[in-house]
Amino acid sequence: DTAVSQTPKYLVTQMGNDKSIKCEQNLGHDTMYWYKQDSKKFLKIMFSYNNKELIINETVPNRFSPKSPDKAHLNLHINSLELGDSAVYFCASSLNTGELFFGEGSRLTVL
Amino acid sequence: QKEVEQDPGPLSVPEGAIVSLNCTYSNSAFQYFMWYRQYSRKGPELLMYTYSSGNKEDGRFTAQVDKSSKYISLFIRDSQPSDSATYLCAMSDSNYQLIWGAGTKLIIKP
Repeated sequence: DTAVSQTPKYLVTQMGNDKSIKCEQNLGHDTMYWYKQDSKKFLKIMFSYNNKELIINETVPNRFSPKSPDKAHLNLHINSLELGDSAVYFCASSLNTGELFFGEGSRLTVL
Repeated sequence: QKEVEQDPGPLSVPEGAIVSLNCTYSNSAFQYFMWYRQYSRKGPELLMYTYSSGNKEDGRFTAQVDKSSKYISLFIRDSQPSDSATYLCAMSDSNYQLIWGAGTKLIIKP
C-alpha cells in the first residue's frame, strides 16, 4: 500500500488553464504539506495543513489554492497556469516530528 | 546568505570510496537534523535523523552534527552505485518547520 499517493504523476497543459493535483495519505498523520521542486532540485514549501487547518502559507501566488476536505487529503488547485509553474510538486505528511513522508511527485509542464 | 548551505555538486566518486556530504547553517536554534535521499523521479525519503550534537550510525551511513561549528555531515562507507542519488539536508528548531539545503547530487562510478 502506498503511504502518500498523489495524482496525476504527469501533467502537460497550456498556459492559462486551471488544473488540480490530488494527494492522499494512509499513515494517520495530522500534518500534510505541498512542496515545489524546481529544475535545480531545490525544495520549497508552499503550504502546510494540520488537521484540515492551514498553518503555513508561504509566499505563493494566490492562483494556488490548497484544499483539505479531511486530514487524509490535501489537494492543490492552480488557476491560470504560467510557464514558471512548471516544476515537480510533492505532497508530504508527518506526525509533527520533522520526519516527512513524501509522495512520488507530480511533474507539471506548462506549454 | 541562505539559512542552510549545501554544495549542489555533482560529486562523483568510484565505487567503494568513502563519501562525505556536508551542510552548514546559521541558525543556532536548530536542534533536529535530517538527511533525505532522493532518487531520480522519486520523492525524498528520510535516511538519518539526529537530535542535537553527536554521531549516529546506521549500517554504512553515519550522520554527524557539530553544533558549535554549525556543521553537519553524512558519511557513506563502501559506496555502491545504488547510492547514486541527490542527498538533501534538512533541519529545524523545536517547531519542526524544516529548512532545506539545496541537495548534493552524488554519482558512484562502478
